[in-house]
Amino acid sequence: KAGVTQTPRYLIKTRGQQVTLSCSPISGHRSVSWYQQTPGQGLQFLFEYFSETQRNKGNFPGRFSGRQFSNSRSEMNVSTLELGDSALYLCASSLEGSRNEQFFGPGTRLTVL
Amino acid sequence: QQQVKQSPQSLIVQKGGISIINCAYENTAFDYFPWYQQFPGKGPALLIAIRPDVSEKKEGRFTISFNKSAKQFSLHIMDSQPGDSATYFCAAVGGNTPLVFGKGTRLSVIA
Repeated sequence: KAGVTQTPRYLIKTRGQQVTLSCSPISGHRSVSWYQQTPGQGLQFLFEYFSETQRNKGNFPGRFSGRQFSNSRSEMNVSTLELGDSALYLCASSLEGSRNEQFFGPGTRLTVL
Repeated sequence: QQQVKQSPQSLIVQKGGISIINCAYENTAFDYFPWYQQFPGKGPALLIAIRPDVSEKKEGRFTISFNKSAKQFSLHIMDSQPGDSATYFCAAVGGNTPLVFGKGTRLSVIA
């Protein structure tokens, strides 16, 4: 069974630009969560989607948004990029209704210059 | 407010030794406590997990000990190997709270 895939793996943007990251969950998984990982703050929860609905949102500004499609694939968008948005963005998927066993993708490394 | 506190930040262990990482939590709604292992350039991988109705869970060389009254849990890696060198994260989830992580422990196993 294929794991969680994330595209692109690496991205370089400049301040003020916007970016869209994509996540394809494990086949059969309908829940997708996004996390930001930085050396200073560690792993921080961004948002969680289940059946195309946002179930939970972390403490991030409105510049961070996401959505989930009917095939469970998810995208997250960051608008008006800031230097501090440089991070590894991780997507995790889990079975229907379960937050417990979350399986992570390799992440997208975003660098904002 | 850090919901899960993890220590130590870094750990150096001799090959064959025991690695011990500790975590503490506050939210009593947490009902699932996983540990993740992350190698450089990779996403975290689920290693082992425990529920609060069990005091210990063992899978191979990895053991979780859980103390519900103290709200603490720990990961023990027996017979540590150089291939175990990675960053380990404890985490907790439950109620309406999403998965929250400790800050991580960088483990180095030296020969």
